[in-house]
Amino acid sequence: NAGVTQTPKFQVLKTGQSMTLQCAQDMNHNSMYWYRQDPGMGLRLIYYSASEGTTDKGEVPNGYNVSRLNKREFSLRLESAAPSQTSVYFCASSEERGQGWSTDTQYFGPGTRLTVL
Amino acid sequence: DQQVKQNSPSLSVQEGRISILNCDYTNSMFDYFLWYKKYPAEGPTFLISISSIKDKNEDGRFTVFLNKSAKHLSLHIVPSQPGDSAVYFCAASAFGNEKLTFGTGTRLTIIP
Repeated sequence: NAGVTQTPKFQVLKTGQSMTLQCAQDMNHNSMYWYRQDPGMGLRLIYYSASEGTTDKGEVPNGYNVSRLNKREFSLRLESAAPSQTSVYFCASSEERGQGWSTDTQYFGPGTRLTVL
Repeated sequence: DQQVKQNSPSLSVQEGRISILNCDYTNSMFDYFLWYKKYPAEGPTFLISISSIKDKNEDGRFTVFLNKSAKHLSLHIVPSQPGDSAVYFCAASAFGNEKLTFGTGTRLTIIP
């Protein structure tokens, strides 16, 4: 049981290049998320997917696209990378929120450190 | 508009003493609160949570207190250990909305 895995761990891009960050979870979770972490900004939600086949914008979606390939996998694509997208990117997944006071605990991957020159 | 605020970017505490990390929120719809711990080069890991029907939740050395009227929560770590040195994020969610809103984090350093 690997939890949430992300590839690659590190990446350096030139401005204008494209790339896809991969994320997979083996916990049979319905919901998956992409965050970016920047100094002094905490974790900010880019996109999320409440279930297979659905995606929604988060707080900072501009410049990104996502694909929920199946229940396990959720990818994040940068079509034309910009220096402002230099950040650490985290993927997370969570248990489906049921009735009452069920938890929203999200489980995070180890992150991808992206530098755009 | 920062709906979840952690006003102390850093905190240093002597080993064995109590660490108190604070978090304030502005959205009255938040009904579930979580603390995450993050070591360098790793993803955040869930630490402890509390729902708005409670005012306290304990798990070993970790206790979270919630003051709904003040829209304030705090994480107490007693006794503090060197392995507790990490960045701590407060997060909140509203019922019916799976998204979490995170604070900016507090870097806790435990001094041996």
